[in-house]
Amino acid sequence: DIQMTQSPSTLSASVGDRVTITCRASQSLNNWLAWYQQKPGKVPKLLIYKASTLESGVPSRFSGSGSGTEFTLTISSLQPDDFATYYCQNYNSPSGFGQGTKVEIK
Amino acid sequence: QVQLVQSGAEVKKPGSSVKVSCKTSGGTFSSYDINWVRQAPGQGLEWMGRIIPILGRADYAQKFQGRVTITADRSTSTAYMELNSLRSEDTAIYYCARAIDVVVPAPIGYWGQGTVVTVSS
Repeated sequence: DIQMTQSPSTLSASVGDRVTITCRASQSLNNWLAWYQQKPGKVPKLLIYKASTLESGVPSRFSGSGSGTEFTLTISSLQPDDFATYYCQNYNSPSGFGQGTKVEIK
Repeated sequence: QVQLVQSGAEVKKPGSSVKVSCKTSGGTFSSYDINWVRQAPGQGLEWMGRIIPILGRADYAQKFQGRVTITADRSTSTAYMELNSLRSEDTAIYYCARAIDVVVPAPIGYWGQGTVVTVSS
C-alpha cells in the first residue's frame, strides 16, 4: 500500500495566520489526493480533491497544490472555525490516510 | 439527500467477529463506491476497504486482508463490513462513507454516523 506522511503532526497558530500542511506519498498519486477537516465528535468534511479542486461550499481561504508525491494544504488566513484536525487521503486503490495534523490555538 | 445509516453499537469478545451494516438512501446505490474507515479513540482515520456495488468487487487495505469482508446488497441498498478475529486494538468507531461521484476513483463526500465497536473480555 502507498504510505501517506503528513507534517507537522501539530501546528500552533493564531487567527489570521497563513497555515501550510504538507502530505507526502511513497509513490506517485496521479493527483488522486484529497484533504479533509475533522472536528471533535464529528465526521470528516471534504475540502479539496484532485489535489487542488475546492469542494463546493468550502471557503476560498482553503487551497491545495502539488503533484506526484508531494502536496500541500494552505489556509490563507486562519479563522476561529478552522481549528481542527486535517487529513490527506490517497483515494485511488488501495486508499490510505495521512496520520493527521492538528491545528491548535497558539 | 444522501443518507447513510449504520447499525448500532457492538460489544464483542476477543476472537469473535462483528458485522456492521450501512443502509443508504438518495442517489443510485450501485454506482458509488462505499468505503469503510475506522477511527480508534484519540487516533486518526484508517481506511479499511471499499466496494463498488455494481461490480460486487471489493478491495482492502493490506493490513486487513484476510480479516475483513465488505459486501453490498443492491436489493436493499445496504453495505456490510465484517471483521473477524477481533482484538482489543480493533476497538474503534467504524464509518461507512460514500464517494462524491460515480467516476472512479472519487473522494468521500458522505459519511454514516459511525458504529462504536468495543472489544473487551
